Amino acid sequence: EDKVVQSPLSLVVHEGDTVTLNCSYEVTNFRSLLWYKQEKKAPTFLFMLTSSGIEKKSGRLSSILDKKELSSILNITATQTGDSAIYLCAVSSGAGSYQLTFGKGTKLSVIP
Amino acid sequence: DVKVTQSSRYLVKRTGEKVFLECVQDMDHENMFWYRQDPGLGLRLIYFSYDVKMKEKGDIPEGYSVSREKKERFSLILESASTNQTSMYLCASSLGSGVQETQYFGPGTRLLVL
Repeated sequence: EDKVVQSPLSLVVHEGDTVTLNCSYEVTNFRSLLWYKQEKKAPTFLFMLTSSGIEKKSGRLSSILDKKELSSILNITATQTGDSAIYLCAVSSGAGSYQLTFGKGTKLSVIP
Repeated sequence: DVKVTQSSRYLVKRTGEKVFLECVQDMDHENMFWYRQDPGLGLRLIYFSYDVKMKEKGDIPEGYSVSREKKERFSLILESASTNQTSMYLCASSLGSGVQETQYFGPGTRLLVL
């Protein structure tokens, strides 16, 4: 059974801090890893990492895939209160499968 | 921009009622998904569909059914609602496989079953 584990489950930081969120996975035939940000409603897509694209960056957010360690990190620098959200990691795997396996998420709270 | 809409943001139903949750996407996506999200349990896949009239069970299909009569619309049906189906329900769609497998989510329906 595919498994995705995120850590920590929750995190409280002060504005301006840098945070690192972790995601590890055990899946057969890994294809891609996705990061989502969920505020009060729907998860919104942040990044997709694949074997051919192991590092992505957008503004203060960046993510790296470590294929050897079967894990990924999501870094947020100079955090702002607007970064407060649940961050979800999901992995797609298997031949011809359309499904994503989600981790339980990391709840990030950024306080002024 | 991909747009996924869900018929209701909040819904209150009584035990035993039949409940319909509708999801519509406007980007001609092949695949559509229904999840429920509960604190401490994360997102769990109920059903998904990769084509019109096709459906596949996810991890927790019991107590649910789905319908996909048109490509853009995917309905989740609770045949006889129970209190343990109180949850946030999220619909998602994706174009295909490979780099097109990114799923885009609707705003969610928060269902309370009394």
